[in-house]
Amino acid sequence: DIQMTQSPSSLSASVGDRVTITCRASQTISNYLNWYQQKPGKAPILLIYAASSLQTGVPSRFSGSGSGTDFTLTISSLRPEDFAIYFCQQSYITPPTFGQGTKLEIK
Amino acid sequence: QVQLQESGPGLVKPSQTLALTCAVSGGSITSGTSYWTWVRQPAGKGLEWIGRIYVSGTTNYNPSLKSRVTISVDTSKNQISLKLTSVTAADTAVYYCARDRRGNGHTSGYYYMDVWGKGTTVTVS
Repeated sequence: DIQMTQSPSSLSASVGDRVTITCRASQTISNYLNWYQQKPGKAPILLIYAASSLQTGVPSRFSGSGSGTDFTLTISSLRPEDFAIYFCQQSYITPPTFGQGTKLEIK
Repeated sequence: QVQLQESGPGLVKPSQTLALTCAVSGGSITSGTSYWTWVRQPAGKGLEWIGRIYVSGTTNYNPSLKSRVTISVDTSKNQISLKLTSVTAADTAVYYCARDRRGNGHTSGYYYMDVWGKGTTVTVS
């Protein structure tokens, strides 16, 4: 299985900050990388697919980049509703695998 | 739009079989080019992909669970089902069903889980 490693595991930031979360794959996955947001007690929500394509309805302050083994999710200006856990997921090889998550907390 | 709703027993005894269904509404399970997927999440932990099924009946399972998992589709009821046998406490989790959609245009080779159910909590005890 491909191992996905996110960093940091947790992050404190303030409203208005620019935040970057990193995801690294244990082998190349081209750009078969998706990002999800999950709030407590809720199902994950798709933010980004194919590394950089913004899912319909997701605010443009979210963006993704990367290819090969290294990927980033950037939130350009944090809003209160963005404090959540973020997961990356590779869809290059079955089984799809997820990163361990990055918890974004209010500073 | 498409909505998913998981259902099934919230409590299962060790060594027994966990059985869940996922009802699809707002669209046909046979339309489009999507897999229908099960993912689980133990409390406070990350997401684990269990397996998926295509409308044709083709399945893929996580090798770590393959010997215990069966996913099936009932097109007449517009729903998918999950069975997990010989459960232990380690199978306690929130179980989600999701649509694993194939992209369009320049992303047609890509799959991503764009619709999720609310999840159902299963405790093995």
